[in-house]
Amino acid sequence: DTGVSQNPRHKITKRGQNVTFRCDPISEHNRLYWYRQTLGQGPEFLTYFQNEAQLEKSRLLSDRFSAERPKGSFSTLEIQRTEQGDSAMYLCASIAGDYGYTFGSGTRLTVV
Amino acid sequence: TQLLEQSPQFLSIQEGENLTVYCNSSSVFSSLQWYRQEPGEGPVLLVTVVTGGEVKKLKRLTFQFGDARKDSSLHITAAQPGDTGLYFCAGVSGYALNFGKGTSLLVTP
Repeated sequence: DTGVSQNPRHKITKRGQNVTFRCDPISEHNRLYWYRQTLGQGPEFLTYFQNEAQLEKSRLLSDRFSAERPKGSFSTLEIQRTEQGDSAMYLCASIAGDYGYTFGSGTRLTVV
Repeated sequence: TQLLEQSPQFLSIQEGENLTVYCNSSSVFSSLQWYRQEPGEGPVLLVTVVTGGEVKKLKRLTFQFGDARKDSSLHITAAQPGDTGLYFCAGVSGYALNFGKGTSLLVTP
């Protein structure tokens, strides 16, 4: 297992377009998280899955954002009608048990 | 969201010096983690502290969790240029991690 994999690594999109990111967690990890990180800030929690169930969503996750984890394995994060304020690094992390979050390398989104 | 105040925000020191990064909150955390992040990469877990008063050592890095489990510190002894990076503390409360804003450390030869 090579850890948490995120694709694409970079995405440049025009304002108003839709984008989708993918996260492949460590296979035996049942919990998967999405975080967003802007320059000069720590990662901020967006949403969390236990297996295929989305259990929590942050208020940061507007109705333009949707996340899925259809079979309890990989997850996707879609942003509709992107805005310049959506530009950030989107990080995925997975965990089994209580400790030891493993983060992916992130997807850097730039909205122009 | 439970706030974690991290200080200093920036630190520039010379090789061989010692440094301490502080992480403070008014909230109690079930555990606290320290991460290091390189440019363009995700954070990498360094350590998890769970018990109030706990001290953990990782080579030249010493991590301490406050007795009341509201604060933590990271001490680096004899810093090296390879220690350069962005360090975050993150408190575990419930289902998610709450991150501080980070400390950007630059160690020059």
